[in-house]
Amino acid sequence: DTGVSQNPRHKITKRGQNVTFRCDPISEHNRLYWYRQTLGQGPEFLTYFQNEAQLEKSRLLSDRFSAERPKGSFSTLEIQRTEQGDSAMYLCASSPQGDGNQPQHFGDGTRLSIL
Amino acid sequence: KNQVEQSPQSLIILEGKNCTLQCNYTVSPFSNLRWYKQDTGRGPVSLTIMTFSENTKSNGRYTATLDADTKQSSLHITASQLSDSASYICVVSLGGFKTIFGAGTRLFVKA
Repeated sequence: DTGVSQNPRHKITKRGQNVTFRCDPISEHNRLYWYRQTLGQGPEFLTYFQNEAQLEKSRLLSDRFSAERPKGSFSTLEIQRTEQGDSAMYLCASSPQGDGNQPQHFGDGTRLSIL
Repeated sequence: KNQVEQSPQSLIILEGKNCTLQCNYTVSPFSNLRWYKQDTGRGPVSLTIMTFSENTKSNGRYTATLDADTKQSSLHITASQLSDSASYICVVSLGGFKTIFGAGTRLFVKA
């Protein structure tokens, strides 16, 4: 178990640029989640994949955000035309198939700073 | 409205002391309640998971309790250590992927 890996750990970019983050879940986990966390708050749900299917998207995920998990393994989260309000920690988590009582395993996140 | 509220917002204790963190929720349907520890700059790490039928769960010096009738949970930390300094997040699952996160309690353990 190598854990959930996220890259890059930090991203600084100018407003209006596009950014892409990558998440590599634990290999045997078929469920993958993206969250956004701002300072002093708990994570907020963005989207959920079961294998390669994106089954749910939060209203927080505007049309500037897109997530993919093309082969049911790693996932990418892209933000287009970044805005200052996008500055946050973007967390990825994975969990195995089951009755929903399995813990989510989180990566250490990508911290995005918009200048 | 589904909500998870945690108290206190922050807490300072001396090393070796015990403390209890609170979580109240108004979430329906209820599947399970989880406590996570999040170190600064890191992702959350699972401490305990409790289903509706469980009222206590321990993980080392961490003991979580659940009262499903009053919709309250607590996390008790025994004999605190400097490494316990972190945010502790209460999370309630509605089932499947749907989870509601609290804002966390920031714990500072001083030597």
